[in-house]
Formats: sequence, C-alpha cells, structure tokens
Amino acid sequence: SAVISQKPSRDICQRGTSLTIQCQVDSQVTMMFWYRQQPGQSLTLIATANQGSEATYESGFVIDKFPISRPNLTFSTLTVSNMSPEDSSIYLCSVFRGLDYGYTFGSGTRLTVV
Amino acid sequence: DAKTTQPNSMESNEEEPVHLPCNHSTISGTDYIHWYRQLPSQGPEYVIHGLTSNVNNRMASLAIAEDRKSSTLILHRATLRDAAVYYCILRGQGAQKLVFGQGTRLTINP
Repeated sequence: SAVISQKPSRDICQRGTSLTIQCQVDSQVTMMFWYRQQPGQSLTLIATANQGSEATYESGFVIDKFPISRPNLTFSTLTVSNMSPEDSSIYLCSVFRGLDYGYTFGSGTRLTVV
Repeated sequence: DAKTTQPNSMESNEEEPVHLPCNHSTISGTDYIHWYRQLPSQGPEYVIHGLTSNVNNRMASLAIAEDRKSSTLILHRATLRDAAVYYCILRGQGAQKLVFGQGTRLTINP
C-alpha cells in the first residue's frame, strides 16, 4: 500500500503563529484528506484536497483557518493559521488506494500550541 | 453518513479470539462496512471491509449479519500488538471520504 511521509512529526508553537504540515505520497493520487484528532478523541475530517481545484471543507472548518495547497498529485500541505491552544491536536493526512487496500494514513503531526 | 454504534471498550486475553461488534441499523444497500484500527501513536490502518458476504484476510475476519444491520470483526488469536482502537465505518459506494465514529478501545491482557 501507499507510503505517506508527513512532516513535521511534532511541533510546539506559540499562539498567534501558523504552522504548515506537509504530506508526501509515494504515488499519484486524486484525492488527499486531512484529519484532526483532538486529545483522546476520534478523527474528524477537515477537508478533501483535489489537485487543481480548491479544497472541500467539512462543516466547522474554514479555508482562512486551515488553508490547503495541492500543487500536484503526490503532495499537499495543510496550514493551521493564527493558532490557539484549542488547535493542539494530531493532524493526519490520508489517501484512498482502492477497495483492496482502503485508506492509508500518515503517522500524523502532533501539534502543541502554548 | 450512516451511523455505527460500537462499545467504548473491550478487554480480552492474549492468544484468545476477540469478537468486536458493530451495529449499523440504518445501513443502505450500497454501503460498505469498513474496519480500521489505530495503534498507539500511529495513524489508522486498514483492517478489512465487506458488503454482504463474510470476508477473511490475513489480519481478521468480518462476519456480516444477514440483514446487514450489524457486523463483527473477529481477531482469531489476539496478540499484545492488537491492542488498539478499532473503528467500524460505513462508506457509501460513491463516497470518497471516510467518517470516523468513536470506536472500541481493545485492551489485550498478557
């Protein structure tokens, strides 16, 4: 199945700053997905990123807060903007590799905002 | 997205079978039943999926009720490495995204 490289693996950031998380896939994929996992909680989908078009955001998530880039079929970035302590979470990217392999997830970025 | 209901937690012993239940009474005819698990400090990983018939792979078996309103993930011989949160998820035939519920936290005792 796909190998996903996600960077950084963790970071501690000051409130009011922004962090950009990178997700690199070892093969071309049409859609990439970004999730947030708050402490002790399940995963919540933030947005779906298509190459060549704007990302589609889920209810409760907006582009100004979580801008996404998708410059090609193997790479995407998620920026967490103007961070507050409530943004402290694990952020994960994911791709769909077909019914036989399901979705593959990156190992996540553990973000702490202080 | 159709909803699934799973127990919050379950406990089992090493080398014994584990049956993880999932209720999905509002499942539609084209919804696939997916199972993923999330090991500590890792992203979720695919376990198995099915539509109507029972399925087996190297990781687990999936038993689907005849009316499809429930399913059971079966780990035939649990190891300590199987301790994880297990998510049962319905995915529509044309759906692109995966929507997670709360899952079942499985503890394996040595």
